[in-house]
Amino acid sequence: KNEVEQSPQNLTAQEGEFITINCSYSVGISALHWLQQHPGGGIVSLFMLSSGKKKHGRLIATINIQEKHSSLHITASHPRDSAVYICAVNTGTASKLTFGTGTRLQVTL
Amino acid sequence: DTGVSQDPRHKITKRGQNVTFRCDPISEHNRLYWYRQTLGQGPEFLTYFQNEAQLEKSRLLSDRFSAERPKGSFSTLEIQRTEQGDSAMYLCASSMGGTVRSPLHFGNGTRLTVT
Repeated sequence: KNEVEQSPQNLTAQEGEFITINCSYSVGISALHWLQQHPGGGIVSLFMLSSGKKKHGRLIATINIQEKHSSLHITASHPRDSAVYICAVNTGTASKLTFGTGTRLQVTL
Repeated sequence: DTGVSQDPRHKITKRGQNVTFRCDPISEHNRLYWYRQTLGQGPEFLTYFQNEAQLEKSRLLSDRFSAERPKGSFSTLEIQRTEQGDSAMYLCASSMGGTVRSPLHFGNGTRLTVT
């Protein structure tokens, strides 16, 4: 079993839909990251959080430390949101991350 | 600040050849990480440096792999006697040390294809 599990693996949505991507982890963490990866490989950090909730534009990330679970929400989805969204956790004393396998999101018109 | 840059973007090599990749981190970042990502998977940690010191290496990093960061700035990752299983995206990231919560900044990666 992977230390970081994401669901769903693939997600197709129509423009405007509200999207939720889930992440569960089985180890103690100091922080959880949500990252976005576009075709071609570049990875962009969306959120880093250790408790509660963060919001940036149409993106919202929440974490429940007791349940070892985090969600990434996208409101009013748009085709440009199409990407792979990756959950990753800090498990050690440095910024070394353990990654989930990602959720591939496709938003259609 | 131009972000983290990696060179080359793509590398095709024949099995058995040696390859070297370069990463230039964000200038004020003292931590530098190498990750490997295969198709359909999340990145896997390979190694990280704080300044010029290599502080941790994954057991994924076989003897054929070596990484350096000689002056605490850019880093190189060398793979000797490449194998087809080495084909992957090699990602570099950097961060500001001193706090575990420093966000990572990734480069665009070097895609290696071993034929």
